[in-house]
Amino acid sequence: EAGVAQSPRYKIIEKRQSVAFWCNPISGHATLYWYQQILGQGPKLLIQFQNNGVVDDSQLPKDRFSAERLKGVDSTLKIQPAKLEDSAVYLCASSLGGTRNYEQYFGPGTRLTVT
Amino acid sequence: AQRVTQPEKLLSVFKGAPVELKCNYSYSGSPELFWYVQYSRQRLQLLLRHISRESIKGFTADLNKGETSFHLKKPFAQEEDSAMYYCALRPYGQNFVFGPGTRLSVLP
Repeated sequence: EAGVAQSPRYKIIEKRQSVAFWCNPISGHATLYWYQQILGQGPKLLIQFQNNGVVDDSQLPKDRFSAERLKGVDSTLKIQPAKLEDSAVYLCASSLGGTRNYEQYFGPGTRLTVT
Repeated sequence: AQRVTQPEKLLSVFKGAPVELKCNYSYSGSPELFWYVQYSRQRLQLLLRHISRESIKGFTADLNKGETSFHLKKPFAQEEDSAMYYCALRPYGQNFVFGPGTRLSVLP
């Protein structure tokens, strides 16, 4: 089966600019996650969707980050305006949902550098 | 707050030697614990979870609630085990909390 797709793979922007990331989960996976992984740290959950509804966005910095999952499939994560501390790898993951939520399938990630 | 610690950033062992990757967690409830692995140029993927009590690629991990630990062990390391290993906690009804990771390097 095709895995989780993400684009772009790399992005370099200046602070105060905006950026958007795209994720296409595995077909049939109801749950979609966005993680932020800062260098030297483990992934930190930003937001979880179940179909097209938000389940958990408690760690999403809502003053600058936004995410949507239209039609319960693809998702976009946006940062506006970006700060230097947003430099990280942004990982998208998906899972079947329900009792199978423990097995998350990760995408290759988008490496963001904010200068 | 829930937290996962992995005290070693880098662990180097020789091929054929035993390996133990340490993981400790802080959570007062009944935890679900996992190990995820990322091989070079590959995606992060699930290696094993405590509830299944199975051995994957020769690795096992036992949950010790008294010591709040979930160490990953393999009796004889192979070069292909070289990777980044992340311990993860899933508190009941909540989402994953990942540790900072340990890079395992298996030397020939």
